[in-house]
Amino acid sequence: SQQGEEDPQALSIQEGENATMNCSYKTSINNLQWYRQNSGRGLVHLILIRSNEREKHSGRLRVTLDTSKKSSSLLITASRAADTASYFCATDAPSGTYKYIFGTGTRLKVLA
Amino acid sequence: GAGVSQSPSNKVTEKGKDVELRCDPISGHTALYWYRQRLGQGLEFLIYFQGNSAPDKSGLPSDRFSAERTGESVSTLTIQRTQQEDSAVYLCASSLSAATDTQYFGPGTRLTVL
Repeated sequence: SQQGEEDPQALSIQEGENATMNCSYKTSINNLQWYRQNSGRGLVHLILIRSNEREKHSGRLRVTLDTSKKSSSLLITASRAADTASYFCATDAPSGTYKYIFGTGTRLKVLA
Repeated sequence: GAGVSQSPSNKVTEKGKDVELRCDPISGHTALYWYRQRLGQGLEFLIYFQGNSAPDKSGLPSDRFSAERTGESVSTLTIQRTQQEDSAVYLCASSLSAATDTQYFGPGTRLTVL
């Protein structure tokens, strides 16, 4: 079963608005990552947040992590048409392995 | 420098045939991962290699799937006796080591089984 589940599944906003995506997971983690995927091909790493961190920023991206609720959110501020993509969270699997479990993704569409 | 490359970019095959997918990781990356992504779905972990350690094959869906890696370089994912449900994009990723977290993805191979 999936470790990470994103919601919403799809999101459509106007350029300039903020986009918020959420990720929930089931078991304890060491870190959580967010990736972007354009056109159903290779993923690009956006940001990593460790279990002892609560918030992290990178440019227009802000990621929060709430380990008590086993959830994370990705906020994209002042969205652009070029932000149109699918966004996935990935969590490291239970200790002893280096597997990463990806969520089902949020499809973001930014309208110009 | 060069990123992760995969070949072929597209593969169409008939049901029952064997296929071989190739991944060239970033030079110096000791960890290599294979994922499967069905249309509109998330990524499904298949297998990972870390240096000379035994690979973690726990995600391979059946014994028709196998993968090899030569040292810390090229990896091939082989699917024998392909079925229509094998149709998907197969993504490869590499990282400096399995412990360094950030994975760099190739563009994927889109496999279509007729």
